[in-house]
Parts: sequence; C-alpha cells; structure tokens
Amino acid sequence: AQKVTQAQTEISVVEKEDVTLDCVYETRDTTYYLFWYKQPPSGELVFLIRRNSFDEQNEISGRYSWNFQKSTSSFNFTITASQVVDSAVYFCALSVYGVASGSRLTFGEGTQLTVNP
Amino acid sequence: KAGVTQTPRYLIKTRGQQVTLSCSPISGHRSVSWYQQTPGQGLQFLFEYFSETQRNKGNFPGRFSGRQFSNSRSEMNVSTLELGDSALYLCASSLGFDSTSTDTQYFGPGTRLTVL
Repeated sequence: AQKVTQAQTEISVVEKEDVTLDCVYETRDTTYYLFWYKQPPSGELVFLIRRNSFDEQNEISGRYSWNFQKSTSSFNFTITASQVVDSAVYFCALSVYGVASGSRLTFGEGTQLTVNP
Repeated sequence: KAGVTQTPRYLIKTRGQQVTLSCSPISGHRSVSWYQQTPGQGLQFLFEYFSETQRNKGNFPGRFSGRQFSNSRSEMNVSTLELGDSALYLCASSLGFDSTSTDTQYFGPGTRLTVL
C-alpha cells in the first residue's frame, strides 16, 4: 500500500518570504511517480510537477523548486519570494506503475498555505 | 485545448435519492478517474476508467458506480444517498497511452454535492 504524509497542516507567511512544504511518501514499488497539485479556493486541482522514481534531479520553475530525495523518501516543494496569489492548499501525491494501479493517485492530507500581504 | 469539464457544478439532494455526475475529459484523453474530497477523509480515489473499462477501484461501497462511453466521457452514480456522501467530487483525465500507462492527471473544477 502507498502512503503520503504532509505533516504541515497550515503554514502562514508574509509576502516575499520563502516557504517549504514537506512531503514524505511510502511505497514498496521501485517505479513510482510523485506529484504536486495546487488547490485554490475555486476547488480545481492544478497540476504543478511530476517526477519519476529514477530521476532525482531537483527542478526549478520560476519561483518554484522541488527537492526529491529517495534516501529519505521525501519530495519537498519550495516557493521563493511568496506572493498572495500562492495562497492555496497544496497536495503531494504518489502513483505507482502497473496494470493494477493505473493512474491512481494517493494524496497527502494537504498543506494550507496562507501568504499575507 | 479545453480542460476537463464537470456538470453540474453544484447539486443538492436528500437522503435516499440517487445522483449522476458527468465528466468530459480533455480531448484525446482516454483515461478518466474520479475522486471524493471531504474535510475528514481528504482526497480519496473512487475509480478509474480506460477505454470504457473500469481498471481500478477504490474502497467505496457498491452504491458508488461509474461508466465510460466510447467518446471517453464518464459518469458516476451514487445511489441511496447518505449524509456522509456530501463532498466535492473531482474528475481527472489523462492520456492513457495503453493499459499500463501511469500518466499525469488533469482535474476538473469538481461537483459539490450536498446531501440533506
């Protein structure tokens, strides 16, 4: 069985601060995929990034960066110079490869990020 | 390209009734998944359809069912509604190259179901 843990339920920062959202996952599968989604108040889950288990390179996209470490089973997400528009709930998710699994996502509990002006 | 669309966006039902929710995937996507989101349980997987066949199912009672049509559009049905079925129901679509693919899922805006 798969499990994703986001220990931070809520984070509140002031605009322009950097913030890191933690994600720890558990799986016995060797081929798996990790995702981050953003859920603004409108409710729609917005895809941010996907990484596969064989690619541990960190990634940067504008103010967003992701740190994937298999040794600690973590896939953390950092927002640099946060903005009010970053306020949302962020979900980390895991999917494993295989016919039985399909594209099924196992989500963490989510982290509510509030960026104050 | 248009995104995933879901109808209706909001729905109010009473206990014991049944409801059907609809999802139109992104053009060209063959896989559709459904998730339930509640404050207490978070985001939980309901089922996934690929080429009109259910290929994965979550841990939900038989009152929850779904189907997929030849144009990849999908519907989910909940019969004999209970108060605990009040939730945001999210549909997601992915390319689905073949039956083994694990693709990125793109989500619709959801249908918010309230059971009174």
